[in-house]
Amino acid sequence: EAAVTQSPRSKVAVTGGKVTLSCHQTNNHDYMYWYRQDTGHGLRLIHYSYVADSTEKGDIPDGYKASRPSQENFSLILELASLSQTAVYFCASSDRGRDTQYFGPGTRLLVL
Amino acid sequence: QQKVQQSPESLSVPEGGMASLNCTSSDRNFQYFWWYRQHSGEGPKALMSIFSDGDKKEGRFTAHLNKASLHVSLHIRDSQPSDSALYFCAARAQTGFASALTFGSGTKVIVLP
Repeated sequence: EAAVTQSPRSKVAVTGGKVTLSCHQTNNHDYMYWYRQDTGHGLRLIHYSYVADSTEKGDIPDGYKASRPSQENFSLILELASLSQTAVYFCASSDRGRDTQYFGPGTRLLVL
Repeated sequence: QQKVQQSPESLSVPEGGMASLNCTSSDRNFQYFWWYRQHSGEGPKALMSIFSDGDKKEGRFTAHLNKASLHVSLHIRDSQPSDSALYFCAARAQTGFASALTFGSGTKVIVLP
């Protein structure tokens, strides 16, 4: 089965600080995604990428940047963390754009 | 209004019973549907996909899609304690960004021993 790992698994950050969440997949998938999960909202797409060195905006990109330095790695960057960015963040990957997505275990971010 | 709406928000079912979950889309572009399951503290995991009208069965799980009404359901037969989880319906449009999934807000299933 597809393997997606995330680090850190949890993090406490201060308002205004910089946060980097990392994702690594070993499945040779082209597509990678970042979602956030909030109670009552399901999962919402922040950024995605279908090739190294290129990222695209998802549905809620404001306040987030993404980086895809290689096919295996995809990072989510919060340059100036805010209280509203407290959430659980999930990374996912898929072989092709239309295929099933495989999710990592998530990163719980608390911004104080 | 959310484009993918799920009901009920939560449901309890006795062990061995049948659980039925519903999902309706308000966007006619959504033609492809998935059901994902998320256990507490874990990432979502795809249960099954359904792209054609009718039923699709995988083990104890049966999905039903009606494209005309944009309604998809999931039925869990012989529910087990391990089925206690948050279930998401996800939909994708036929055109546009090929892999963009829109998720519903989820149905929490509790299987009572």
